[in-house]
Amino acid sequence: SQQGEEDPQALSIQEGENATMNCSYKTSINNLQWYRQNSGRGLVHLILIRSNEREKHSGRLRVTLDTSKKSSSLLITASRAADTASYFCATDLYNQGGKLIFGQGTELSVKP
Amino acid sequence: EAGVVQSPRYKIIEKKQPVAFWCNPISGHNTLYWYRQNLGQGPELLIRYENEEAVDDSQLPKDRFSAERLKGVDSTLKIQPAELGDSAVYLCASSIIAGVVADTQYFGPGTRLTVL
Repeated sequence: SQQGEEDPQALSIQEGENATMNCSYKTSINNLQWYRQNSGRGLVHLILIRSNEREKHSGRLRVTLDTSKKSSSLLITASRAADTASYFCATDLYNQGGKLIFGQGTELSVKP
Repeated sequence: EAGVVQSPRYKIIEKKQPVAFWCNPISGHNTLYWYRQNLGQGPELLIRYENEEAVDDSQLPKDRFSAERLKGVDSTLKIQPAELGDSAVYLCASSIIAGVVADTQYFGPGTRLTVL
């Protein structure tokens, strides 16, 4: 079963616009991770945010975590066509021995 | 540094045939994962190894799936016999260490299996 639910399932924007993807989960976590997957490729790790952190940045990526609402968001600023990919959140559930549960993903399309 | 290597990249077989996938993790990574990813879905864990030991195989369909990680490095995932519903992408990942808390995972390109 998959714990993380991502919203929206698909997102289409123009180059230069910002893209926001959301992830909700159901139980307590140790950390939450975001991954990107280009078509036909494996997943690439983007950011890990721990349960005691509220915000992290990496280049044009900004991740927030609200443990009271059990939700996280990934913001990509000034998007590029190369950002076109599927984005997955993965939750490290508390007391589950380091097992990651992936959501269904958000398919982002950035049009030039 | 070389990434996670998987082979083959693609495999097409008839149902009831056996198939095997191979994975070589990043050097020095003790933890190895096999995931299955169905179309339009996120990866689902099949099995996790810490060195040679399978520490989580709760979602591995043991009637037809088997895995091994001899010497704690390379790993092989086998399906015998394959069924139509096994068509999916099989991903291998590795991490430096995992235990109580999940570490960053590094994924291979996957093997796309088609069962006819």
